[in-house]
Amino acid sequence: AQSVTQLDSHVSVSEGTPVLLRCNYSSSYSPSLFWYVQHPNKGLQLLLKYTSAATLVKGINGFEAEFKKSESSFHLTKPSAHMSDAAEYFCVVSDTNTGNQFYFGTGTSLTVIP
Amino acid sequence: EAGVTQFPSHSVIEKGQTVTLRCDPISGHDNLYWYRRVMGKEIKFLLHFVKESKQDESGMPNNRFLAERTGGTYSTLKVQPAELEDSGVYFCASSFHPRGSPLHFGNGTRLTVT
Repeated sequence: AQSVTQLDSHVSVSEGTPVLLRCNYSSSYSPSLFWYVQHPNKGLQLLLKYTSAATLVKGINGFEAEFKKSESSFHLTKPSAHMSDAAEYFCVVSDTNTGNQFYFGTGTSLTVIP
Repeated sequence: EAGVTQFPSHSVIEKGQTVTLRCDPISGHDNLYWYRRVMGKEIKFLLHFVKESKQDESGMPNNRFLAERTGGTYSTLKVQPAELEDSGVYFCASSFHPRGSPLHFGNGTRLTVT
């Protein structure tokens, strides 16, 4: 069975400092992993995805994530936070064998302090 | 290309009334998903269409919810009769192929049942 755990429900950082949003997953098969961002009153926007290619994945807006199979982790990072990064972030896993379902983490709300 | 569109963006109805939500997926996307987020909690899967067929409807909460996808194009989700606990944001997403492809989300319909 697949599941996703986002370890922090809220993260606050100062503008210009690094961002780390943590995600651990469990998957019986080879997973596809995604990070989505949701700004207020908007839909979920894809930040980046991992689908068994390079383990370090670069996404939009300067975000990147590293797939670590040994740790079952897919943490999202950004070197320098911007005010516009304040939003809610979701880690999502999909099983590539069945591919039919996507499992969502409970979300991490990121606050950026000026 | 046009993204996933959902209508209406907001709906306020009284308990016992009926509401129909509509989703237009990205053209050519055979896979269409409905998700729901209640009161800022986790995003929960409702069902998955492949073209006009229901591939998985295990997440549908009860028989007050009816989803259709006539002709494999747009989809509707009807709630009849609505209950207070149905309030939340209903997201639609589509994807071209399930294996490793990301979901593309609409902006959601915020449903409030009073």
